[in-house]
Amino acid sequence: DAGVIQSPRHEVTEMGQEVTLRCKPISGHNSLFWYRQTMMRGLELLIYFNNNVPIDDSGMPEDRFSAKMPNASFSTLKIQPSEPRDSAVYFCASSSTSSTNQPQHFGDGTRLSIL
Amino acid sequence: QKEVEQNSGPLSVPEGAIASLNCTYSDRGSQSFFWYRQYSGKSPELIMFIYSNGDKEDGRFTAQLNKASQYVSLLIRDSQPSDSATYLCAVPGGYQKVTFGTGTKLQVIP
Repeated sequence: DAGVIQSPRHEVTEMGQEVTLRCKPISGHNSLFWYRQTMMRGLELLIYFNNNVPIDDSGMPEDRFSAKMPNASFSTLKIQPSEPRDSAVYFCASSSTSSTNQPQHFGDGTRLSIL
Repeated sequence: QKEVEQNSGPLSVPEGAIASLNCTYSDRGSQSFFWYRQYSGKSPELIMFIYSNGDKEDGRFTAQLNKASQYVSLLIRDSQPSDSATYLCAVPGGYQKVTFGTGTKLQVIP
């Protein structure tokens, strides 16, 4: 079975440019999560969706960040304009709410570097 | 106050020894816990799930839960260099949201 698929794996871009990260959750999973991980702050939850609806975006650092989930098989995280402090690894994860205590399954992440 | 706390380490143990990783949590209502392992440069992967007081064993791994004291631990017996990674404690919530600790880095010395 295919896991969570993220693209691109690596992104290097200049400050001020728009960055779009993509995620395809595991088929049948109805919850999707975007995380950011840095050495200083660890794994931070940015936003999560349930049945394509954003449930909690309180972790989104500022208005430059936005996320969408137009359908059950695709989500994007966009940063516009990007800044050097946005450099981090961004993970997407998905899980099922078919029963309680279902774990999250992570994609391989996108390593983002803003110059 | 952080909801899930872990010592960041690094925790260094010799090969073959028992590694003990600990996690405390603040919400007394938490019923279950995950342990994730994250190798350097990789994504977190689930290795253990525990929801009842006591011990749960899976191969060389044992998860221990003490709800009265609000801590959960992970023991790794016969530690191997391949166990060197960061171990994340996590508490599930609504909509399968999971609150992660900051992780403990484990180094197994050959």
